[in-house]
Amino acid sequence: GNSVTQMEGPVTLSEEAFLTINCTYTATGYPSLFWYVQYPGEGLQLLLKATKADDKGSNKGFEATYRKETTSFHLEKGSVQVSDSAVYFCALSRSSNTGKLIFGQGTTLQVKP
Amino acid sequence: GAVVSQHPSWVICKSGTSVKIECRSLDFQATTMFWYRQFPKQSLMLMATSNEGSKATYEQGVEKDKFLINHASLTLSTLTVTSAHPEDSSFYICSAPGRGRSPDVYGYTFGSGTRLTVV
Repeated sequence: GNSVTQMEGPVTLSEEAFLTINCTYTATGYPSLFWYVQYPGEGLQLLLKATKADDKGSNKGFEATYRKETTSFHLEKGSVQVSDSAVYFCALSRSSNTGKLIFGQGTTLQVKP
Repeated sequence: GAVVSQHPSWVICKSGTSVKIECRSLDFQATTMFWYRQFPKQSLMLMATSNEGSKATYEQGVEKDKFLINHASLTLSTLTVTSAHPEDSSFYICSAPGRGRSPDVYGYTFGSGTRLTVV
């Protein structure tokens, strides 16, 4: 079946450090891939997405590239800020119309000043 | 931007009682609403999909009679946990296709979630 696996957290970094949160998936065909972020006390927000192989999603300094050969969609940011502290979810969707998102377990990022 | 308002944000109830959670799309019409459940340190699991004007579609293993879903209008979907028990304690989140259109383009808009504790 379809599944998403994320690296376990929490991930604790100092401000301006480089961030990588690994995400790999299992799916048939060509799913769409997403990263969602949940700030404390708020709902999940779409951070970035990629809908086909080799696409790079980017937003707010974060990037992730859809790698079909390694079935990965790792999230990266060159220099994190305290305000990036949140829970990050990797997710896939097999169909744009069913709305069935399959989530990873989430990775908590803590950035210290 | 697209906003889904979810209430209450947290609720504590006694075993055997029912709890209603509401999700409203504030600035767009949501013909579809998805309901997720999240256990601590675990992933969000889709419970059901509600569609305005028709019956909800439940995922395998989700009890229809325990988790009643109603999608009465284009802007309101409700989840009622009936005869709640401590094992129903969880974090419940709703979401709708972003701006009511293709989620592959606009993503999904999520409510802020409801923390249910059954004592």
